[in-house]
Amino acid sequence: GDSVTQMEGPVTLSEEAFLTINCTYTATGYPSLFWYVQYPGEGLQLLLKATKADDKGSNKGFEATYRKETTSFHLEKGSVQVSDSAVYFCALSDRGTDKLIFGTGTRLQVFP
Amino acid sequence: DAGVIQSPRHEVTEMGQEVTLRCKPISGHDYLFWYRQTMMRGLELLIYFNNNVPIDDSGMPEDRFSAKMPNASFSTLKIQPSEPRDSAVYFCASSITQGNTEAFFGQGTRLTVV
Repeated sequence: GDSVTQMEGPVTLSEEAFLTINCTYTATGYPSLFWYVQYPGEGLQLLLKATKADDKGSNKGFEATYRKETTSFHLEKGSVQVSDSAVYFCALSDRGTDKLIFGTGTRLQVFP
Repeated sequence: DAGVIQSPRHEVTEMGQEVTLRCKPISGHDYLFWYRQTMMRGLELLIYFNNNVPIDDSGMPEDRFSAKMPNASFSTLKIQPSEPRDSAVYFCASSITQGNTEAFFGQGTRLTVV
């Protein structure tokens, strides 16, 4: 079945460092791909999305490109801030069933 | 709209007791998802509904878990009897039709079974 694999955390960075969180997926069709963010004590909220191959989703300085050839959707940010500290989830939505499946999450900790 | 509303926010119960978690999706959303989040297993999809009908419950861990959606504005997740290993944060989320749209999450119910 469909699945999402993302790098384990925690990822620990200094402020203004470059961030990459890897995400790969397995799907029978052509899913939509998402990154969600979870701040402490809160539910998940959408960070960005891409609905077809080669689409780039972006928001708040974060970017991710839908790569069908490598089945990947890696999250990047050029310069992280302390306020970016959170747990980041990669997810896919199966077009046929609308089933929304998440990876296990990657905790990001940014220090001043 | 107030967003997805879950209740209670926190629940502490004794092993063997029945627990009912509640969710009110965003009005007009026709998909509703129940997830369980633990440190060990991350975010697991338990069950989801489309137009109040359960579509896939393959993630429900065992018969002690059941979920219902009697109408478009209300869903419950019940655990009977509860066990300590059920301790987790349970999230409800809703979305509109089409898989490329955003799912909106509630703030979750933190369940502790002692």
